[in-house]
Amino acid sequence: DTEVTQTPKHLVMGMTNKKSLKCEQHMGHRAMYWYKQKAKKPPELMFVYSYEKLSINESVPSRFSPECPNSSLLNLHLHALQPEDSALYLCASSLDSVSQPQHFGDGTRLSIL
Amino acid sequence: AQTVTQSQPEMSVQEAETVTLSCTYDTSESDYYLFWYKQPPSRQMILVIRQEAYKQQNATENRFSVNFQKAAKSFSLKISDSQLGDAAMYFCALLSNFGNEKLTFGTGTRLTIIP
Repeated sequence: DTEVTQTPKHLVMGMTNKKSLKCEQHMGHRAMYWYKQKAKKPPELMFVYSYEKLSINESVPSRFSPECPNSSLLNLHLHALQPEDSALYLCASSLDSVSQPQHFGDGTRLSIL
Repeated sequence: AQTVTQSQPEMSVQEAETVTLSCTYDTSESDYYLFWYKQPPSRQMILVIRQEAYKQQNATENRFSVNFQKAAKSFSLKISDSQLGDAAMYFCALLSNFGNEKLTFGTGTRLTIIP
């Protein structure tokens, strides 16, 4: 069982749809992360939230919009995605954003039609 | 810039035998952390082992141990008594301790366990 919970596990959407990915942790971690992972590749960092504030945006297109409503929740809002955005989206959390190991969720497998 | 290199795209080992996965890295920082993560087909990234650069003693977690050579910037993972459940993609990762919140991953090594 993972301590970082991601929903949904699978998502299929059209290029004009709007959807959201959700990530939740109750470990008291103050840093949360979104990664994108293509098949047979390592995860690529997208966003980092530290103490509920966005601290890193890795030049991610604006069709991806992160949100951190509170210290336990992290959302990724999706709009007008492209087929190349199909990937596994991983959420992670850590006690803080420096030196602490990151704990990952199971990911959301996203397919863009 | 930080880099992590895993030169073995694929490895295989007989069940119950020992296997070593290689990882080299480059960083200009003197204080950093190294990790090995495992990603089975179920896709969750699982932390296997962690090493602080300031510690000379190699980290050990049950059947998993590392050989950390700081001067050579090498961080290999040894898996003893390999089990079928060890089959996965293994990623080596580096985290600097100076305000850099980015975890830098290697390209991964796919480990197959032969029954």
